Amino acid sequence: GDSVTQMEGPVTLSEEAFLTINCTYTATGYPSLFWYVQYPGEGLQLLLKATKADDKGSNKGFEATYRKETTSFHLEKGSVQVSDSAVYFCALSGRSGGYQKVTFGTGTKLQVIP
Amino acid sequence: DAGVTQSPTHLIKTRGQQVTLRCSPKSGHDTVSWYQQALGQGPQFIFQYYEEEERQRGNFPDRFSGHQFPNYSSELNVNALLLGDSALYLCASTRRTGLGPGYNEQFFGPGTRLTVL
Repeated sequence: GDSVTQMEGPVTLSEEAFLTINCTYTATGYPSLFWYVQYPGEGLQLLLKATKADDKGSNKGFEATYRKETTSFHLEKGSVQVSDSAVYFCALSGRSGGYQKVTFGTGTKLQVIP
Repeated sequence: DAGVTQSPTHLIKTRGQQVTLRCSPKSGHDTVSWYQQALGQGPQFIFQYYEEEERQRGNFPDRFSGHQFPNYSSELNVNALLLGDSALYLCASTRRTGLGPGYNEQFFGPGTRLTVL
């Protein structure tokens, strides 16, 4: 079945540091890929997405490129801020009989210190 | 435009009891999915409802059941609660399209925090 593997946290960075969170996936067909963010005490928010190979999703300074050849979708940001502290989930969506479901990784906690 | 809403926000139950969680989808959405997020873990897919029928199911026992109403809102029922059922339960809604490429974004609600004592 579908699965997502992402780097374990927590990841602690100083403000303005470069961020990379690795994510690889296993899926049949051509899934869509996502990064969700969850701030403390809140639900999930879609951060960015890519729906086909070589697409680059971007939002709020975060980027990720859909790499089919390496089955990866790594999240990057050039300069993190304290407000980026949250848990980040890599996810994929595949179709089964015309119905989509989302498969999540285990999450990576990011802590940015001033 | 209200997003996905869930009730209650928090719930405390004891082992063996039954619980019902509720979800109202985003306006214009007709498909509702439920996820269980244990502490420190990623959300796990429970099931998905469309046209008042369960269309997909994850690896959860029959103690987990659901319902979708004609107005597209949904309920998640869990019987014979276990300590391990303590988690954040997330509802997500989307608008279903026919077979073919593309993706309809799922919008998540804030979740219901269930504690089983």
